[in-house]
Amino acid sequence: QKEVEQNSGPLSVPEGAIASLNCTYSDRVSQSFFWYRQYSGKSPELIMSIYSNGDKEDGRFTAQLNKASQYVSLLIRDSQPSDSATYLCAVNMDNDYKLSFGAGTTVTVRA
Amino acid sequence: DAMVIQNPRYQVTQFGKPVTLSCSQTLNHNVMYWYQQKSSQAPKLLFHYYDKDFNNEADTPDNFQSRRPNTSFCFLDIRSPGLGDAAMYLCATSGTGNSYEQYFGPGTRLTVT
Repeated sequence: QKEVEQNSGPLSVPEGAIASLNCTYSDRVSQSFFWYRQYSGKSPELIMSIYSNGDKEDGRFTAQLNKASQYVSLLIRDSQPSDSATYLCAVNMDNDYKLSFGAGTTVTVRA
Repeated sequence: DAMVIQNPRYQVTQFGKPVTLSCSQTLNHNVMYWYQQKSSQAPKLLFHYYDKDFNNEADTPDNFQSRRPNTSFCFLDIRSPGLGDAAMYLCATSGTGNSYEQYFGPGTRLTVT
């Protein structure tokens, strides 16, 4: 069964620190990788998409992709209390338009 | 702004009483998805439409049905809700480019009494 696994949480970081989230996936042909942020009781919000090996930066967020290792990560720099949420890693499987989601990592940023 | 809209945001139904949830989109996306999400779990795909082509996930119960009368609208029908169907129901859309990015609506929180 094709899977997406995320590092177990919860992850607690002090305000201003870097939060590091990891995700591994089983399907070697996956081409599209996403990070969603989900606040408690709300729907997932797309915050990062990455398709090529390497780093992609968007504001305080950096996504890193290594297809050879089947690994994608998300770094949140200068973490703020507003970053406290569950972060879902999603990967397209079978090179089609369905996504497989990881179980999520809950991040708490303490002031 | 282009968006995905779900109505109602909160729905309370009685055990066994049919309920319909609706989703509309102004993104003009070809693909629409319905997910079920329970507390502290990943969204679980129930089915999706590629244009008018319906695709059911193998483990989606027969109790769940869907309709897509046009590009903009999609409905989720739960024919006989059970207590285990209480969840957040999420509608999402995506285009058919290479990106496969999915955009979610705000969700409908279903309570079954």
